[in-house]
Amino acid sequence: DGGITQSPKYLFRKEGQNVTLSCEQNLNHDAMYWYRQDPGQGLRLIYYSQIVNDFQKGDIAEGYSVSREKKESFPLTVTSAQKNPTAFYLCASKGTIGETQYFGPGTRLLVL
Amino acid sequence: QKEVEQNSGPLSVPEGAIASLNCTYSDRGSQSFFWYRQYSGKSPELIMSIYSNGDKEDGRFTAQLNKASQYVSLLIRDSQPSDSATYLCAVNIGRKGSGGGADGLTFGKGTHLIIQP
Repeated sequence: DGGITQSPKYLFRKEGQNVTLSCEQNLNHDAMYWYRQDPGQGLRLIYYSQIVNDFQKGDIAEGYSVSREKKESFPLTVTSAQKNPTAFYLCASKGTIGETQYFGPGTRLLVL
Repeated sequence: QKEVEQNSGPLSVPEGAIASLNCTYSDRGSQSFFWYRQYSGKSPELIMSIYSNGDKEDGRFTAQLNKASQYVSLLIRDSQPSDSATYLCAVNIGRKGSGGGADGLTFGKGTHLIIQP
């Protein structure tokens, strides 16, 4: 069953804590992306990666970090420097043919 | 700042009518345009992609692109209550330091569509 999985579905963060959101895909896609969505807003790009061991900052990278050690995986860490982390986080991937990005189910991050 | 603009709505349309959703974008160099549908609490799902000027039809959906006017629209014919959702317009706007095609999408804030039974 091919697709993009994100875990956990809900995540609670205490103040000052770093948390990591998982994103895995078995679509053999090269490019992967992280977006953040706030209520009533569109998606904003945090980080993206075109190939393994390479990634680029998006529009709102401050307070976040990523790694791309494997083609299938693109985890996002929300650091303590991100002062307003409450949001819906969406991971997406794109293959080498075509321009379409496909989204995972998302992780909702809440601050305790 | 490169932007994508949509009317947030809500847009209320009677069942069976045509729903018309509009989007404008600021980057004249944009080449790829997408419409995603997002139900409340769920992730976006692709409805249509369009790359060339003109119309593209897929079932009840038609995407229209006018690059000269920097305008893209989505028409939904024979609207059904299940079409009630937020529709996000997305544009592949080039970013510094990367090649085309893997730069990430810039999204509008979405139009909330309500189909009235």
